[in-house]
Parts: sequence; C-alpha cells; structure tokens
Amino acid sequence: EDQVTQSPEALRLQEGESSSLNCSYTVSGLRGLFWYRQDPGKGPEFLFTLYSAGEEKEKERLKATLTKKESFLHITAPKPEDSATYLCAVRAASNSNSGYALNFGKGTSLLVTP
Amino acid sequence: DSGVTQTPKHLITATGQRVTLRCSPRSGDLSVYWYQQSLDQGLQFLIQYYNGEERAKGNILERFSAQQFPDLHSELNLSSLELGDSALYFCASSVEGGVGGYTFGSGTRLTVV
Repeated sequence: EDQVTQSPEALRLQEGESSSLNCSYTVSGLRGLFWYRQDPGKGPEFLFTLYSAGEEKEKERLKATLTKKESFLHITAPKPEDSATYLCAVRAASNSNSGYALNFGKGTSLLVTP
Repeated sequence: DSGVTQTPKHLITATGQRVTLRCSPRSGDLSVYWYQQSLDQGLQFLIQYYNGEERAKGNILERFSAQQFPDLHSELNLSSLELGDSALYFCASSVEGGVGGYTFGSGTRLTVV
C-alpha cells in the first residue's frame, strides 16, 4: 500500500531562519511527487512536481529535492507570509483502486514569526 | 482563481439529510477528483471521474455517490449524513493521467449538526 509520511507535523521558525520539511514515501511505481501549499480554509495551491531521483526545483524561497525514498522542501530565509500547511503527495502508476489520484501526507504546519 | 469552481462554499445541515456538492473543472480538464479533508485524516481521495465515466474509487462510503455530466461538471452526493461527515470537500481537475498537475478548487465546508 502506498504511504506518504511528512515530518515534522508542525514547525515554528523565526523570520530568516532556514529549515527543511521532510516527505518520506513508499509507492509502487512513482509517477510524480507533488508539493502543495494550503492556507487555512482554502484549497491546496500547487508548488512543484518532481519525477525522478536527483531532480530539484526552486521557486522564490522554496526548493524541492527528491531521492528514491524521500523529498525535502527547503525554505531559505522564510518570511511570515510563508506560514501555511505544506502538503506532499505522490502519484503512482495507475491501478484499479486509485487511478491517477494523488495520495497525500498529513502535512507540515509552518509558522514563521517576525 | 484556480479555474476550478466549487459550490456552495459553506453548507450546514442536519443529521440524516442529503446534500449535493458541485464542481466545475478547469477548462480543458477531463478528469475530476473528489477529496475529503478532516482535521485528523488529512486529504483523503474519494472518487475520480474521467470524461463522464467513473475511473477510480478511494475511501468513499456507500452513502456517498458522484457523477460527471456531459458538460464535465461533477456532483458529489452525500446522504444519511452523520456528524462525522463534517469536513472540507475538495474537487480537483486534471488532464488525462494528471500530466501537468492537478488544480484544486476552494472547497465546500460541510457542517452536520
């Protein structure tokens, strides 16, 4: 069974204090690892898709990396507006149960204080 | 605006009742996915439709059903509602296979009292 585990569950940083969020996964036939940002009461907002080990993608203060077992979301010099829940999801090779649906972790709640 | 439209935004109803949630996918997307998000479970996949046909089922209860219409909008029907069904319900859309990503709507917050 596909599993996605995110850690830590919650993280509090001071403005400018860099850190990393972890996403460990077990999936049969990875067809993409996705990072989303979700603000309270809103829908997930797409950040990155990674497809193969060694791949990296960047957007402003965020950088996502992928290995064969986990992905990291690095946050460099965060600002208060980066406060949100960050969700990791995997898409496996299609099967009769999940089709191409994303399987999500429970997320990391990030709070950046001034 | 993500391009995926969900209505209503909020819904309050009593136990035992039936409700219908609506989703219009992003233009050009043929796949629609329904997810339930509760505080303790995170985002749980319920069901997927592709171009009007059911493609995959996740953790969807028998009291729940969905359909996708010829104009590609989708409806999620929840019946015999229980207090535990209170959650955020999200719709996402994509092209076939999810190539290019999945776009989520802003959700419907269902409260069962």
